[in-house]
Amino acid sequence: ILNVEQSPQSLHVQEGDSTNFTCSFPSSNFYALHWYRWETAKSPEALFVMTLNGDEKKKGRISATLNTKEGYSYLYIKGSQPEDSATYLCAFKSGGSYIPTFGRGTSLIVHP
Amino acid sequence: DSGVTQTPKHLITATGQRVTLRCSPRSGDLSVYWYQQSLDQGLQFLIQYYNGEERAKGNILERFSAQQFPDLHSELNLSSLELGDSALYFCASSARDAAPEAFFGQGTRLTVV
Repeated sequence: ILNVEQSPQSLHVQEGDSTNFTCSFPSSNFYALHWYRWETAKSPEALFVMTLNGDEKKKGRISATLNTKEGYSYLYIKGSQPEDSATYLCAFKSGGSYIPTFGRGTSLIVHP
Repeated sequence: DSGVTQTPKHLITATGQRVTLRCSPRSGDLSVYWYQQSLDQGLQFLIQYYNGEERAKGNILERFSAQQFPDLHSELNLSSLELGDSALYFCASSARDAAPEAFFGQGTRLTVV
């Protein structure tokens, strides 16, 4: 069983704050790391796919980094807005199975 | 809109019953995954089909089964339902096994009473 951990479990920030959260995954047999954004009553939506150690991806105010050797990825949100409120999921794919194993997510609430 | 359609959106049924959840993948996607999300749990992988064949199995109970049809839509059958089967069931599709990303449907909320 692959262990994918996300921290913190939940986060409350004020509008305008920058924030970051962590996804930890096995450091062996790495294939890909995915970040998804999941708003209530909607389907999870892909944010980033990261495949190489040292990858950095950016989409607007959201960015992510990847360290496959130590088995972690960070997701950063700069200047959080209320519309950023969602659960952020990471999913790890190993080279053996390609089945995404999901963490439990970080629930972000941005207060106006 | 992800292009993945799941029906029904909500389902309420009694213990002991059997239900079928349906998933239509994005056009052209060959791979379909089923996930279960129970309260306070992450998305738990149940089963994957690729072009009509079972490709991988996760923590799927023997009371549950799935299939993928020639038109690539998939059904997840849940039988002898128990209260603990109440969960959000997601279907996701991708072009192939090692595709960069999977696209999720909006899920079916199953409540067993």
